[in-house]
Order: sequence, then C-alpha cells, then structure tokens
Amino acid sequence: KQEVTQIPAALSVPEGENLVLNCSFTDSAIYNLQWFRQDPGKGLTSLLLIQSSQREQTSGRLNASLDKSSGRSTLYIAASQPGDSATYLCAVNTGNQFYFGTGTSLTVIP
Amino acid sequence: DGGITQSPKYLFRKEGQNVTLSCEQNLNHDAMYWYRQDPGQGLRLIYYSQIVNDFQKGDIAEGYSVSREKKESFPLTVTSAQKNPTAFYLCASKQGNQPQHFGDGTRLSIL
Repeated sequence: KQEVTQIPAALSVPEGENLVLNCSFTDSAIYNLQWFRQDPGKGLTSLLLIQSSQREQTSGRLNASLDKSSGRSTLYIAASQPGDSATYLCAVNTGNQFYFGTGTSLTVIP
Repeated sequence: DGGITQSPKYLFRKEGQNVTLSCEQNLNHDAMYWYRQDPGQGLRLIYYSQIVNDFQKGDIAEGYSVSREKKESFPLTVTSAQKNPTAFYLCASKQGNQPQHFGDGTRLSIL
C-alpha cells in the first residue's frame, strides 16, 4: 500500500524567506502528484498537479518538482508572505485512489 | 460558477441515528470521492465512484454507505454502525487525469 510522508510537520519562517516543503512516497507507480493548500476548517485548494511524465510545474511563486524514481516531490515557495500561512498537503494518484500525506503546517511571521 | 457544494456545513448525530451528507458538483466530472479527515492524520478514503451507478469501497468504508444515481450527486450516509463518526468529511471530484477539486467540507459531531 502506498505510504505518503511529509516533512517537516510544522514550519515557521519570517516573511520574505524562500522555503521548501517535502513529500515522499513509497511506490513509484503513480499517475500524478497534486499539492494542496488547506486553511483551518476549510476544504482543500489545488495548487499544482504534476503528471508522472513531468519533472516540475510552476504557478506564480510556487514551484513543484517530482522525482518519481526516488519517490520524492518538493514544493518551493518563493518570497513567503503571511497569507501563505496554511497547511500544505501532497497527494499521489495511483489510478483509482489518492493517498495523502499528513501535511506541513506553515506559519509565515510578518 | 463551477464547483462542489457540500451541505450542511455542521451536522450533529444522536446515538443510533443515521445521517446523510450531501455532495453536489456542476463540473461534469465522472469521478467523485469521499474522505474523512481527523486531527493529525491525512485524508482517508471512504468511498469513490468512477461513473454513475457504480462505486467502490475505500480504506475505511465500514459504517458508511453511498449512492451514485446521478452524475452530479454523491451522498454519503454515516450509519449507526460507525462508532467513531466525529470528523471532518470532504467530498471531491475529478475528470480523467486532471486535478482533483474539493468542497468546503462537513463537520460531524456526536450529541
């Protein structure tokens, strides 16, 4: 069964800093990997989707990379802002199912 | 606007009662999903449906039931057999290999 791990569980950074969130998965047979943002008490907002054939995707200040062979993905956030404070989750799609990590709780300090 | 609507936002269940959570989407997506989220844990899949009139159990289906009579609707019933139903329930949908979209969730508590 696919296991997804996110490190660190929590992260606190000063505003303006660049940061990297990590996601690892145990089975490299995936269709794609998706990064989400979740604000307290809310649903998940899709940030980036990387197909298994892709190496990275970019959207604004966000860049996600995928190394399928090593079972790793990173989410890079440039010039962090207080509005980026949220929990970030990654999910791997194995075809019929998605497997989620437990998330990284990010706090950006003004 | 296209999206996924979950209702109600908050729901309370009495002992021995079945309750139904609503999930409606107007994105014309074939696949729909129900997840449960508990504090400190990742989302866990309860049921999913790839097409109308068909659905499959996820990892934690015991104590839950679903139906998929219409493409846009995928209601989840939490039965009295589910002994620990207190959680945040999230519904999602997707089409093919495109991103999964989520509703705003329903928080279920026990009275």
